[in-house]
Amino acid sequence: AQSVTQPDIHITVSEGASLELRCNYSYGATPYLFWYVQSPGQGLQLLLKYFSGDTLVQGIKGFEAEFKRSQSSFNLRKPSVHWSDAAEYFCAVGAGDYKLSFGAGTTVTVRA
Amino acid sequence: KAGVTQTPRYLIKTRGQQVTLSCSPISGHRSVSWYQQTPGQGLQFLFEYFSETQRNKGNFPGRFSGRQFSNSRSEMNVSTLELGDSALYLCASSPGTDSGNTIYFGEGSWLTVV
Repeated sequence: AQSVTQPDIHITVSEGASLELRCNYSYGATPYLFWYVQSPGQGLQLLLKYFSGDTLVQGIKGFEAEFKRSQSSFNLRKPSVHWSDAAEYFCAVGAGDYKLSFGAGTTVTVRA
Repeated sequence: KAGVTQTPRYLIKTRGQQVTLSCSPISGHRSVSWYQQTPGQGLQFLFEYFSETQRNKGNFPGRFSGRQFSNSRSEMNVSTLELGDSALYLCASSPGTDSGNTIYFGEGSWLTVV
């Protein structure tokens, strides 16, 4: 069975600064990896996904993530954070069977 | 293209009652899955349907059930509600025909059990 660990429960970052959210997964085969964002009281919005190919993937809202098989990681990055990026971010792993396992989430606070 | 639509958005039920939540997937999507989100347990997979058949099931008691109709719309039902069933229930859809397809979520249905 697959599992996901997001080591950081809460991150505070200044507006305009860079952001990196960590995600480590456990899965025996090639994983299908996703990052979702959730604003308070809302559903999950897909930021980006990795299935195969180029290990650096670009997503919406200026986010990117890099898949590193050797480290079992799929970290999310953004070069310059905007106040509207304050939200909770979830990393998820799937086996291609439409059943996702999610991490516990990382809450991002953006200070002015 | 409309996204995943869930109804109702908010509801309050009493312990022991049952509840039915509805989900309309993105047009053309045939896979519908359901997740429960709580502060304590996080996001947990309930089940997934494709062409009216349940393909995958999570580790939830039999009180949680679902179904899918021929137009791909789905419903989930929780019987004999318990306080611990209070949660955000998220529906997701995907084309479902190739492995690894992207999964899109709706806004969720907030269930409060009192």
